[in-house]
Amino acid sequence: DTEVTQTPKHLVMGMTNKKSLKCEQHMGHRAMYWYKQKAKKPPELMFVYSYEKLSINESVPSRFSPECPNSSLLNLHLHALQPEDSALYLCASSQVASEQYFGPGTRLTVT
Amino acid sequence: QKEVEQDPGPLSVPEGAIVSLNCTYSNSAFQYFMWYRQYSRKGPELLMYTYSSGNKEDGRFTAQVDKSSKYISLFIRDSQPSDSATYLCAMRRLGAGGTSYGKLTFGQGTILTVHP
Repeated sequence: DTEVTQTPKHLVMGMTNKKSLKCEQHMGHRAMYWYKQKAKKPPELMFVYSYEKLSINESVPSRFSPECPNSSLLNLHLHALQPEDSALYLCASSQVASEQYFGPGTRLTVT
Repeated sequence: QKEVEQDPGPLSVPEGAIVSLNCTYSNSAFQYFMWYRQYSRKGPELLMYTYSSGNKEDGRFTAQVDKSSKYISLFIRDSQPSDSATYLCAMRRLGAGGTSYGKLTFGQGTILTVHP
């Protein structure tokens, strides 16, 4: 089973709201990733967690705050977002430095 | 110049055709190569993963890597309307350490339509 699940599927939030995106995998993968994808563009890496530790932050604004509570879960906390942050947010997981499996994504709209 | 170049298309073919999708890259440090299929408003689905030059086949899909030319291809045989999607190539550097850890570099994606 190569399934990565993400909740919610869709999210609409105002610029003053606080919300969280959730990601889960049960493949025993020790690396987890957050990507942002705008329409007709490839995914852009935001964060990488390896063995529950943040190993890459691609200069993402502080209004995005990742958290990895355990090896199966990954959260992305959102606060004071801007309309230009509207996008598809993708979670992925992999064995260390191996191929990545993506979840279905959360479609975020910031109003 | 982008590290990975991929023609965005769109590419339109009749059902049953052989489809050829290609990417070129400039950085010889890339050693691992992937092809993903992405349907509209869905997450990318891994189709093929390879790290050596040569061909790898899985059902109707064949991935080809030529490291000497820095060129990778994905062939789809007997294409079906259900193959209509965006195809993304992705690649990664060798090794697990440092800032290159796990980071994929994607092509821009090729939009494919297979019409009945």
